[in-house]
This record gives sequence, structure tokens and C-alpha cells, in this order.
Amino acid sequence: AQTVTQSQPEMSVQEAETVTLSCTYDTSESNYYLFWYKQPPSRQMILVIRQEAYKQQNATENRFSVNFQKAAKSFSLKISDSQLGDTAMYFCAFMNTNAGKSTFGDGTTLTVKP
Amino acid sequence: EPEVTQTPSHQVTQMGQEVILRCVPISNHLYFYWYRQILGQKVEFLVSFYNNEISEKSEIFDDQFSVERPDGSNFTLKIRSTKLEDSAMYFCASSRQESDTQYFGPGTRLTVL
Repeated sequence: AQTVTQSQPEMSVQEAETVTLSCTYDTSESNYYLFWYKQPPSRQMILVIRQEAYKQQNATENRFSVNFQKAAKSFSLKISDSQLGDTAMYFCAFMNTNAGKSTFGDGTTLTVKP
Repeated sequence: EPEVTQTPSHQVTQMGQEVILRCVPISNHLYFYWYRQILGQKVEFLVSFYNNEISEKSEIFDDQFSVERPDGSNFTLKIRSTKLEDSAMYFCASSRQESDTQYFGPGTRLTVL
């Protein structure tokens, strides 16, 4: 079974600065997908970024980028130029390519301070 | 942009009552999912559904739970006899393909009294 670990329950960052959220996972699969989801106080799950394991290039979406280290089974999220609206819970998730269910980490609560 | 919708946004029920949570997945999606998030905890997989049958279910998805796609648009989760510990946020998700990105609905907050 796959496991996803987010070792930082809470983090904070000053507005306009950069923050990195950590995620590690454990799997015996070679093909899979990794995701970061944002959950603001409204509790809606919003997709932030997706990475395919077969791609060496790290995914980027505007201010959000990942550092995907397949050998180390590490998938960190970097948020540049942090904004107050980035304040939320962030979940890392793993999905096999041949099974649709996603496995989530415990989440990291990020607070962006003005 | 198409999105997954869920109704109601908040459901309050008495212990032992049946509840039905409703979801309308994105129209061209073929795979449907339910997840649960107890307050303050991680999101947990409940069940996946494809071609009018369950593809996979977790140990949480016991005989009290059932899913159905009663028509071409709705996807429902039924809890037959609710327990206090069923209080949680329930998320519906859908994807075009099994290994495609899942898009989540806004969730239904279920409170069992």
C-alpha cells in the first residue's frame, strides 16, 4: 500500500516570500501521479499542481513549482511570492496509473502573514 | 469551466437516519469517487465507480454505505443508518480516465447528532 507523509503540520511565511512544503511517499510502483491540493477555510479541494512520475521535468504553475526527486520519493511544493490568499491547508496526494484512488498525506497548514 | 457540484452543502441528521449525498460530476467524465474528511484529519478514499459498478472500495465503505448513478448526471452516496462517527466532510470527485486528474466538488458537510 502506498503511504504519503507530510512532516510539517504547520508552516508560516511572510507575504511576498518563498516557502517550501515537504512531502515524501512510499510505493513500489514505477508509474504514478503526484498532486498538491489546496484546501482553504471553505474546505473545498483545489488542484494546485500535478506531476507525472515518468516526467523528469518538474511541473510549474505560475507561482507554484515542485521539486520531484523520484529516487528519493520526495515531492516538495515551492510557493514563490506568497500571497495572503495562499493561506490554506495543503495536501500532497499519490495516485497509481492503474488505480484511480488517491492517497493523501496529513496536510500542512500554511499561514501567510502580512 | 465545468466543475463538480454537490448538494446539499450541509446536512444535519439524527443518528440512525438515512442520508443521501448528491453529486453531479463533470459531464464527459467516466470515473467517479467519494472521499471523506473527518474534521482536522486527512482525506480518505471511500469508493470508486465506473461503468455503473464499484471499481474499488476501502475498509471504511462497509454495508452501511452504497453508491448509485440513478441517471445520466447524478452520482449519489447513501448512508443507511448514520452513526456519530460518520460526521465528516464528504467529497465527490470525477475524472475522464482512471489515471487522470480528479476534480473535486465543494463537499457536503454531514453532521450526525
